[in-house]
Order: sequence, then structure tokens, then C-alpha cells
Amino acid sequence: GAGVSQSPSNKVTEKGKDVELRCDPISGHTALYWYRQRLGQGLEFLIYFQGNSAPDKSGLPSDRFSAERTGESVSTLTIQRTQQEDSAVYLCASSLYGTQYFGPGTRLTVL
Amino acid sequence: KNQVEQSPQSLIILEGKNCTLQCNYTVSPFSNLRWYKQDTGRGPVSLTIMTFSENTKSNGRYTATLDADTKQSSLHITASQLSDSASYICVVALLSGANNLFFGTGTRLTVIP
Repeated sequence: GAGVSQSPSNKVTEKGKDVELRCDPISGHTALYWYRQRLGQGLEFLIYFQGNSAPDKSGLPSDRFSAERTGESVSTLTIQRTQQEDSAVYLCASSLYGTQYFGPGTRLTVL
Repeated sequence: KNQVEQSPQSLIILEGKNCTLQCNYTVSPFSNLRWYKQDTGRGPVSLTIMTFSENTKSNGRYTATLDADTKQSSLHITASQLSDSASYICVVALLSGANNLFFGTGTRLTVIP
């Protein structure tokens, strides 16, 4: 397909475990964004990539969160030592000229 | 402080009726305002995007208005359908960077038969 894809669609993990979330942006889109959406709340910005570099990491909530992007394509968001408050839907979006196209999200549940 | 507020938080309407969702913002300097539709369990989908000079923009049965002086926007849905049931999110962009987006918490619309 031509849209943004994310995997896994659902992830259940135990508190303290590490998780890795993947985003495949639309081919050719240079900008990539990660957001978090807690139940019943709005979107919360986490990090922004332009190409492979991340000029804005201001939204990462703690040093347990990290993200990387390789080949101006796939990005991974890693959460170490997960906590229950990390439970949320993690959305990825990509853009070329401004409008962001969102993926379906990964629903993370930390038990 | 840059903020985006939406009202109402939730809305229930009968199929076929019209409705209007509101978005007030304090984001400055303003670049553009976007309305997204987010179906349950899906990512947001862009409906409209308006810059400072645009007062209205339509996308099918969806019409967005923007008053940059009062910093208010509305999304009007005409002849609602059951498939319009979703969250509608207002997003305002700062002039200074592509990543400077401010999100409202959304209006949850439910259309009932």
C-alpha cells in the first residue's frame, strides 16, 4: 500500500520490559513524526525527524524513550523499562510538504 | 501559552442533521490550521488545511471556517451520516517550524440512526 504502516498493531508487555515500535513512512517523505495518544486525550508530540536526523526531541517524556531513523525510511521508537503510564496508542506520521499522513498506530498495553 | 481548545467535548446527533464543531486557539505566530478526522482505532486523516488568508474551505460535506482575528475555527458537517461518527481534531501550526504543531483534544461525534 501507499500509506504509512506501523507494527505491531497491538503490543502487550509486562512492566519493566523493553518494547520496540516500528514505522514505515510513505516512500519519499522526508519528515517523520512520532506521537502518543493516551486514552481519551489528544495527541502528544514525541519526536520529529527530518531525513535521518532528529532536530526536535523535546517531546520525549524521559530517557527511557529513544527513536532512530535509518535510510530516510523506517523509524523505530524504543521504550526501555516500560511503566504502566506508557500504555497508549503510539502514532507515526510522515510528510513531504506539510500535510501529515498518519499510520494506524500501535496500541501498547503495559501490565 | 500556545493552546488549542475544542468544544464540545462530545456530541450526539441524528443521522441527516447538521452540526458545527468549534476550535479556539492562542497559538502565535500562526501558520495554518488543520482539521483531522480520527475513526476509533485508526490514525487521524486530514480533512482541511487553511492558512492565514483563507476564510473557508470545503471537503465534500465538511466545511471549515477560519477567523484569524478572533483565532477561532469551526468545522460544519452537513447532512450527517453514520460514518461521520469519529473524533475531530483541530491542529494549529506555528509559523516557525514544520514540527511545531499544537493539538486540541478533539470532539467526539456520534451519529445515531
